[in-house]
Amino acid sequence: DAKTTQPTSMDCAEGRAANLPCNHSTISGNEYVYWYRQIHSQGPQYIIHGLKNNETNEMASLIITEDRKSSTLILPHATLRDTAVYYCIVRGGSQGNLIFGKGTKLSVKP
Amino acid sequence: EPEVTQTPSHQVTQMGQEVILRCVPISNHLYFYWYRQILGQKVEFLVSFYNNEISEKSEIFDDQFSVERPDGSNFTLKIRSTKLEDSAMYFCASTQENTEAFFGQGTRLTVV
Repeated sequence: DAKTTQPTSMDCAEGRAANLPCNHSTISGNEYVYWYRQIHSQGPQYIIHGLKNNETNEMASLIITEDRKSSTLILPHATLRDTAVYYCIVRGGSQGNLIFGKGTKLSVKP
Repeated sequence: EPEVTQTPSHQVTQMGQEVILRCVPISNHLYFYWYRQILGQKVEFLVSFYNNEISEKSEIFDDQFSVERPDGSNFTLKIRSTKLEDSAMYFCASTQENTEAFFGQGTRLTVV
């Protein structure tokens, strides 16, 4: 089963930052935090991942707490196309399988 | 940008028939996966494949299922005798070592 806890749903106004929290209190030292999203029934789309340092790419930023027990995905300027289910996944090692939970359904509203 | 390709996008089959779902992973990837998603439910892991053998499988992946990499480019999932409850989206994914996994757009399997 998934080792993360996420809110079931969140709303965000278009153009504002969307901050999606995730708790992973049982994460171990060699496990990464991955974020994916799924728009409608499309294939999950990779967003970002990190081990302990904060990460940023063209899609999002990932903030991981110092104790690594929680993290936040930040979409800096949410658009309507960012409406999706966002999954926070703890992945063991380099080839550990991605185990999906129920994720957070983010609704971006005009 | 390289992508994982799945065919067909939609497959309708009669209960009891065999189906083969096809995937072309990204060319230099080494690890391959199948997932499924029943309508309205979460994405479920089925099987992972590396070095021409199954490395891990879930309890869903019973004897009705098999995977194969027949020619070094395709990666297939076979369901021997389909049941109504096999109706779902099936996603293939691939990854290199120490990188993110990329998913295909899925095959919608409908068993009637």
